[in-house]
Amino acid sequence: QQQVKQSPQSLIVQKGGIPIINCAYENTAFDYFPWYQQFPGKGPALLIAIRPDVSEKKEGRFTISFNKSAKQFSLHIMDSQPGDSATYFCAASTDNDMRFGAGTRLTVKP
Amino acid sequence: NAGVTQTPKFQVLKTGQSMTLQCAQDMNHEYMSWYRQDPGMGLRLIHYSVGAGITDQGEVPNGYNVSRSTTEDFPLRLLSAAPSQTSVYFCASRDFWNTGELFFGEGSRLTVL
Repeated sequence: QQQVKQSPQSLIVQKGGIPIINCAYENTAFDYFPWYQQFPGKGPALLIAIRPDVSEKKEGRFTISFNKSAKQFSLHIMDSQPGDSATYFCAASTDNDMRFGAGTRLTVKP
Repeated sequence: NAGVTQTPKFQVLKTGQSMTLQCAQDMNHEYMSWYRQDPGMGLRLIHYSVGAGITDQGEVPNGYNVSRSTTEDFPLRLLSAAPSQTSVYFCASRDFWNTGELFFGEGSRLTVL
C-alpha cells in the first residue's frame, strides 16, 4: 500500500492563484519531507523540503505547512505562474528509504 | 559537474530479453537508488545502495538486479524483461551529509513488447 497519499491528482488554477497540494503519511519514522517538481521529459528536481521539528518553511513563492500530529503536510504556491505548470510529488523519507506520493499535475492558466 | 547520468534514454526490448540500464554520478554520494515511474503510481523504489559493495531491496525489487562496485556507478539489470516492466526508470543519488536532497537523472524510457 502506498505509504504517502497525495491529493489532488490534478489541479487547474488561474495565474496568480494559490494552488494547494496535500499529502499524508503513515510511518512515524519518516523524518524528512521534500517536494519535487517534474517537467515533461525531465527527472524530478527538489523544490523545497522540511524536517518535522518545524511547522512551516517558506522559500520564495513556495511554502510547506507541516502537521506532525496529523501526519500531514502540504505545499502552497503563492502567485502561481504558467511556468509553474508541472507535476509535483511529495515524499517522506528515512535515511535509506524515500517514498513518493502519486503526483499532482498542476496547470496554471495565463 | 554532470550530476547523475543515465543511459540509454530510450530502449525497446522483446519479452525475455535482458539489458542493463547504466547510471553514473560525479558528486561522490554514497547513496544511490533506482526508481520506476508509472502513471498514477508516483515513483517507486526498486533498489538502493548505501555504498560500494552494499545493496538492498526497495518497494518493488522483483525482476531487477543491482550491484555497486564503485561509488560512481550503479547499474540496474533486467534479466528477463516482461511487459510489466515497461516504465520510465530514474536513477538518483543522495546528498546525506548536507541537505538530504535526492538528485535524479533524466530518466530511461523502457518499452517491453
